[in-house]
Amino acid sequence: EPEVTQTPSHQVTQMGQEVILRCVPISNHLYFYWYRQILGQKVEFLVSFYNNEISEKSEIFDDQFSVERPDGSNFTLKIRSTKLEDSAMYFCASSSDRVGTGELFFGEGSRLTVL
Amino acid sequence: QQPVQSPQAVILREGEDAVINCSSSKALYSVHWYRQKHGEAPVFLMILLKGGEQKGHEKISASFNEKKQQSSLYLTASQLSYSGTYFCGTANTGNQFYFGTGTSLTVIP
Repeated sequence: EPEVTQTPSHQVTQMGQEVILRCVPISNHLYFYWYRQILGQKVEFLVSFYNNEISEKSEIFDDQFSVERPDGSNFTLKIRSTKLEDSAMYFCASSSDRVGTGELFFGEGSRLTVL
Repeated sequence: QQPVQSPQAVILREGEDAVINCSSSKALYSVHWYRQKHGEAPVFLMILLKGGEQKGHEKISASFNEKKQQSSLYLTASQLSYSGTYFCGTANTGNQFYFGTGTSLTVIP
């Protein structure tokens, strides 16, 4: 069964360092998303991506965040200068349909710990 | 923009029923329901695309009242495996999809 894969599963970094989280969406999907979840809290929308550009982004997704699809298969989230409050689980998701019309398939998540 | 869910938490005994509500301040064109087990990714349960639609998934079903901008998830004859956090998800415009505040459901023997 096709699945969304994320790497690394856990990353520990020092405050101020750059982090790249990687995702391989399901191959025929066209819509890609990043969400984050601070431990025990709600799942927060960060950004959606379609046709090689950002479709929508939330207030959380400020200038320290960026996304790209460098090679047609990977979908990456970069955090330029990590802060303590960036510590969270980051989920990548993909869908074949425009959001709202089809299921979101989630990866297992990348846990980011900023020290 | 985030939908509000109620209750925040509920504890059930096996076999009991529960209802989880999801309410949005914005017009909705679809509602999703997901369940998340501790330490895992959210897993899709169902999607409702039309106002008035009701769907069933084994003993879990949902309804969508488009006019009231609300959806409800019904869990019948709960099982231990139903434990987890339930999130509604709503789409209004563009490709922005917001999850609700979450409802923690615990089923005990």
